[in-house]
Amino acid sequence: DVKVTQSSRYLVKRTGEKVFLECVQDMDHENMFWYRQDPGLGLRLIYFSYDVKMKEKGDIPEGYSVSREKKERFSLILESASTNQTSMYLCASSLAGVSPGYTFGSGTRLTVV
Amino acid sequence: AQTVTQSQPEMSVQEAETVTLSCTYDTSESDYYLFWYKQPPSRQMILVIRQEAYKQQNATENRFSVNFQKAAKSFSLKISDSQLGDAAMYFCAYRSHNQGGKLIFGQGTELSVKP
Repeated sequence: DVKVTQSSRYLVKRTGEKVFLECVQDMDHENMFWYRQDPGLGLRLIYFSYDVKMKEKGDIPEGYSVSREKKERFSLILESASTNQTSMYLCASSLAGVSPGYTFGSGTRLTVV
Repeated sequence: AQTVTQSQPEMSVQEAETVTLSCTYDTSESDYYLFWYKQPPSRQMILVIRQEAYKQQNATENRFSVNFQKAAKSFSLKISDSQLGDAAMYFCAYRSHNQGGKLIFGQGTELSVKP
């Protein structure tokens, strides 16, 4: 089974801190995604990557950046955390091409105080 | 841009009964995929069912089936013989057929199952 592992299940950070959320997948998937989940808004795409060192902005990239130095790892970076970035963050991966299946991690619930 | 709308924030069903969750979407594409995902309290997103837009036949997976109305851009999920373990947040999602198409989600429907 494909596994997508997010390094932290819960995280509490202070306003202004630089925050790294890590995501690792073990099945050689080309595509990786970061979503933010908020009540009443569903999941919104922050950034995605189709290959190593490639990144594309999603629908809500402001205040975030990403890094993909290795195929299996996709990091989400909050340059200067703010309280409105308190949320659940979900990472996902998929094969390239027309394969429709995504595999999700179990999420990181981030609280910024 | 494509959008997905789930107009029912919460639904409730009696155990062993049937419930239908609604989803509508907007797209100008003719070829795409539609999905229903389940997110239990464990937070792990689980794929429930998927539908290819070019297929007229509605997808079915055991107790889960969809009513796909392409012209109306509607994609509802029917859960038959509801079980306590079906209680979860359910998300409808759209993905373009294009290579690397992103998943676009609806707002979610919280389903509770009463014993």
